[in-house]
Amino acid sequence: DVKVTQSSRYLVKRTGEKVFLECVQDMDHENMFWYRQDPGLGLRLIYFSYDVKMKEKGDIPEGYSVSREKKERFSLILESASTNQTSMYLCASGQGGLYSNQPQHFGDGTRLSIL
Amino acid sequence: DAKTTQPNSMESNEEEPVHLPCNHSTISGTDYIHWYRQLPSQGPEYVIHGLTSNVNNRMASLAIAEDRKSSTLILHRATLRDAAVYYCILGGGSQGNLIFGKGTKLSVKP
Repeated sequence: DVKVTQSSRYLVKRTGEKVFLECVQDMDHENMFWYRQDPGLGLRLIYFSYDVKMKEKGDIPEGYSVSREKKERFSLILESASTNQTSMYLCASGQGGLYSNQPQHFGDGTRLSIL
Repeated sequence: DAKTTQPNSMESNEEEPVHLPCNHSTISGTDYIHWYRQLPSQGPEYVIHGLTSNVNNRMASLAIAEDRKSSTLILHRATLRDAAVYYCILGGGSQGNLIFGKGTKLSVKP
């Protein structure tokens, strides 16, 4: 089975801190994704990557950046955390390149609180 | 972006079949229809996907209308563990990435 592992289930940080969320997948997938999930808003795509060192903005990239130095690892960075970034963050991976129709496999999420 | 419409919630009895509907009248010819579900405190889980023909796997069946403007996810025998939010999503092809809507919250009664 595909495993997508997020580094923390729960994280508490302070306003203005630089925050790193890490995600690792073990299936050699080309595509990796970062979403956030908020009540009433569903899942929204922040960034995705279809290859090492490649990244594409999703629907809500403001205040975030990403890094993909190795195929199995995709990091989400909050440059200067703010309270409106308190959310559930979900990482996913999938086969194929851009515009792939292959399924995405999700981690269990990181619940991030910014105080 | 092509959108999907699902009922907010549905109820089912344990061990009975469940038909979860989805409308996607603006679907393009290359959009795949994907279904995911999310159990409480977990990330979304892939269920099934298809393009034109009906699809079956160990979890569910997907029935796609001939004009592709609607589809139905079929759980053949609901269990308590099937209680989740089910998302119908268009993706791949021209759509690029999956766009999650609000989904249908399925409750299963013993």
